[in-house]
Amino acid sequence: AQKITQTQPGMFVQEKEAVTLDCTYDTSDPSYGLFWYKQPSSGEMIFLIYQGSYDQQNATEGRYSLNFQKARKSANLVISASQLGDSAMYFCAMRVTNTGNQFYFGTGTSLTVIP
Amino acid sequence: DTEVTQTPKHLVMGMTNKKSLKCEQHMGHRAMYWYKQKAKKPPELMFVYSYEKLSINESVPSRFSPECPNSSLLNLHLHALQPEDSALYLCASSPTTSGTHNEQFFGPGTRLTVL
Repeated sequence: AQKITQTQPGMFVQEKEAVTLDCTYDTSDPSYGLFWYKQPSSGEMIFLIYQGSYDQQNATEGRYSLNFQKARKSANLVISASQLGDSAMYFCAMRVTNTGNQFYFGTGTSLTVIP
Repeated sequence: DTEVTQTPKHLVMGMTNKKSLKCEQHMGHRAMYWYKQKAKKPPELMFVYSYEKLSINESVPSRFSPECPNSSLLNLHLHALQPEDSALYLCASSPTTSGTHNEQFFGPGTRLTVL
């Protein structure tokens, strides 16, 4: 069975500080992809960053980086220099080859950036 | 054009009404998805179309009827809905359904209220 776990229902961070959002996953398939999405209150899901199970290096996209620890099955999102516009819901998701490439979403973390 | 559009943005309907949600993308993607999302919950997969054919139906009640007229369009026909069907309905697309590095691009969603 495939599973994504986000244990932080809500997080607060001071503006300009860095924050780490936790994500752990479980799959027996060696081929999988991990994604992070941001969902502001407007509702649209915005793709942030991707990490493949065979990627040797941690993914980075601007202020977003993914701390991928394969042995621990964790894929934490690090947001550097937080901005007020980063306040949103963040979802970790996994796509597994052997399950028809369905997306499995975590329960999400609500991030609030404090001025 | 890297956009998925959805219409309408908001919809209020009675339990006896028939309405349709529309989704469109012009990225040449061959996979399209419908999700249902309740407040503060992750999206739940409803349907997947791959190359204009229905490939996944996650045991969705028949009052929801998907349709894919061509590779750019995806409709969701609604009939005899229940108040508990009120939710944000998200459409997404991806290049294909195969391969783990296939991020889904989401539309802004339709907020549906069933009275």
